[in-house]
Amino acid sequence: SYELTQPSSVSVSPGQTARITCSGDILANKYGRWFQQKPGQAPLQVIYKDTERPSGIPERFSGSSSGTTVTLTISGAQVEDEADYYCYSAADNTVGIFGGGTKLTVL
Amino acid sequence: QVQLVQSGAEVKNVGASVRVSCKTSGYSFTRYPMHWVRQAPGHGLEWVGWINTDTGDTRSSQKVQDRVTFISDTPATTVFMELRRLRSEDTAVYYCATNAFDFWGRGTMVIVSS
Repeated sequence: SYELTQPSSVSVSPGQTARITCSGDILANKYGRWFQQKPGQAPLQVIYKDTERPSGIPERFSGSSSGTTVTLTISGAQVEDEADYYCYSAADNTVGIFGGGTKLTVL
Repeated sequence: QVQLVQSGAEVKNVGASVRVSCKTSGYSFTRYPMHWVRQAPGHGLEWVGWINTDTGDTRSSQKVQDRVTFISDTPATTVFMELRRLRSEDTAVYYCATNAFDFWGRGTMVIVSS
């Protein structure tokens, strides 16, 4: 079975750039997505197809991909970006898998 | 606008079954498959399964595949997830989400009590 590996935590000061990586063999051939989740809320998709940003997501959120790793970059992180972030991909476009999640601290 | 309205919280005993519903509106029901995702207290997101609301085809994670059923009711524009032989580790918030993860329900808390 596939696995997606993320760092458990990332910490930056406001205005700095935060980078969160997600690694897994499946990413060599399948797209990745990124979700932001704040306490008590449903997840919110911030990146799909490795690099695409859904409507309404601030431009400071961007995604990139290289080999078996996808990266979420938050340029000029804001205090309100503090949340848990999860990567996701899907084998044969239907069987899904999430990474373990990364707690982003902005302070 | 697209809305996914989930059923209320459930408390079940170990070994029982639970059915969670996700009522949709605001789009063509059979156009978009539906995912189910769960999150145990203090833990990360876990993909549970998926149903093609047009064909009825389903996929599920290996962890639950022998205990879960997904149902699509087109006239009611509602999808259901039924989980049987509940275990304490099934305690979680269960979310439905459209195929592209654009829209999510607010979640249904399922507590499995021993």
